[in-house]
Amino acid sequence: EAGVAQSPRYKIIEKRQSVAFWCNPISGHATLYWYQQILGQGPKLLIQFQNNGVVDDSQLPKDRFSAERLKGVDSTLKIQPAKLEDSAVYLCASSPPGQGYEQYFGPGTRLTVT
Amino acid sequence: AQTVTQSQPEMSVQEAETVTLSCTYDTSESDYYLFWYKQPPSRQMILVIRQEAYKQQNATENRFSVNFQKAAKSFSLKISDSQLGDAAMYFCAYNQGGSEKLVFGKGTKLTVNP
Repeated sequence: EAGVAQSPRYKIIEKRQSVAFWCNPISGHATLYWYQQILGQGPKLLIQFQNNGVVDDSQLPKDRFSAERLKGVDSTLKIQPAKLEDSAVYLCASSPPGQGYEQYFGPGTRLTVT
Repeated sequence: AQTVTQSQPEMSVQEAETVTLSCTYDTSESDYYLFWYKQPPSRQMILVIRQEAYKQQNATENRFSVNFQKAAKSFSLKISDSQLGDAAMYFCAYNQGGSEKLVFGKGTKLTVNP
């Protein structure tokens, strides 16, 4: 069974530029999560999708972050414009519906904003 | 809101010895799950062990076991016969039953000395 795929693995951009991250969940997993992990901290949930609908985006900075999950499979997280404090690892995870205790994580994307 | 606290930013252990990582959490719920995740330098979050709150028996997975003290809201991880490959960040996490959100602690960096 293939795991959660993410790309790119690394990205370096200047502040005020835009960036997008891609995630492909495990086949059959209806729930998809994006986490932000700042250096020295644990992951923090940014947004949760159930199929292609948003379940929780209470901690997503909506003035600069956006996410979509068209067709209920792949998802894209975008930052525009980026700030220095957005430097972090962005983790994608997926789980079967209703089983948040069975989350599987991708390898993450390390973003550096200079 | 639920919180997870890991009071040991760093721990070290000699190869083949035993080490215990501490975690406390705060919740008023009775139905929840607790987890220990391992994050090596590759950044992939790997589930080490999971404990359902309704189970009195402590979970074990090979060399990994937990000491779950529900009344004290404590959830420690014991690693026996430590191996060099155990070196990583370890995160304690909480999931409320019926919710799919994971709340993470800040992590403990484990070093294994040869």
